[in-house]
Amino acid sequence: DAGITQSPRHKVTETGTPVTLRCHQTENHRYMYWYRQDPGHGLRLIHYSYGVKDTDKGEVSDGYSVSRSKTEDFLLTLESATSSQTSVYFCAIRTAAGNTIYFGEGSWLTVV
Amino acid sequence: QQQVKQSPQSLIVQKGGISIINCAYENTAFDYFPWYQQFPGKGPALLIAIRPDVSEKKEGRFTISFNKSAKQFSLHIMDSQPGDSATYFCAASTGNQFYFGTGTSLTVIP
Repeated sequence: DAGITQSPRHKVTETGTPVTLRCHQTENHRYMYWYRQDPGHGLRLIHYSYGVKDTDKGEVSDGYSVSRSKTEDFLLTLESATSSQTSVYFCAIRTAAGNTIYFGEGSWLTVV
Repeated sequence: QQQVKQSPQSLIVQKGGISIINCAYENTAFDYFPWYQQFPGKGPALLIAIRPDVSEKKEGRFTISFNKSAKQFSLHIMDSQPGDSATYFCAASTGNQFYFGTGTSLTVIP
């Protein structure tokens, strides 16, 4: 357990509505990541953060934005959800000691 | 473009058998190669990892074999157990970026 909490864990939303997923960590890790997991695609990086207000895009960032106003919270926002964004979203942190990332329990999002 | 290619997509093994999952990469800048295990409804969990200066790493029944010249690495699960049934992901990283394979669904039959 890397002290990561994701919320909500499950959400069903309608196409065109905004959605925000929250990742909260308790151990002051500098690096935080958002991945999505889809069958046949594995885990793909959406955005990551390397400090407060410091973020960068990953390989599948279109349609997503992020914010990190505090070390412990990393928010992922879908401005206008689409059915293609139905997925499982995982937050991850990277420890300072090693080169490994640790994942949260996931947020299941369904866009109908 | 898939940075890390993983095979097979699914694998069925008898209890006590050896499970082998393979991964390949192209980017020679990758310097860390972890494997993750994921159970249904859970997040991926780090299983074992290796750096490219080592050809093999063993932890219990799990072994990573690494072939730097071929740019390939594999996970071997010895004496596979039904409790090993899960999805396994290989990954490769350089700096702050981690790239994952597409996953292998392992089923161990009692």
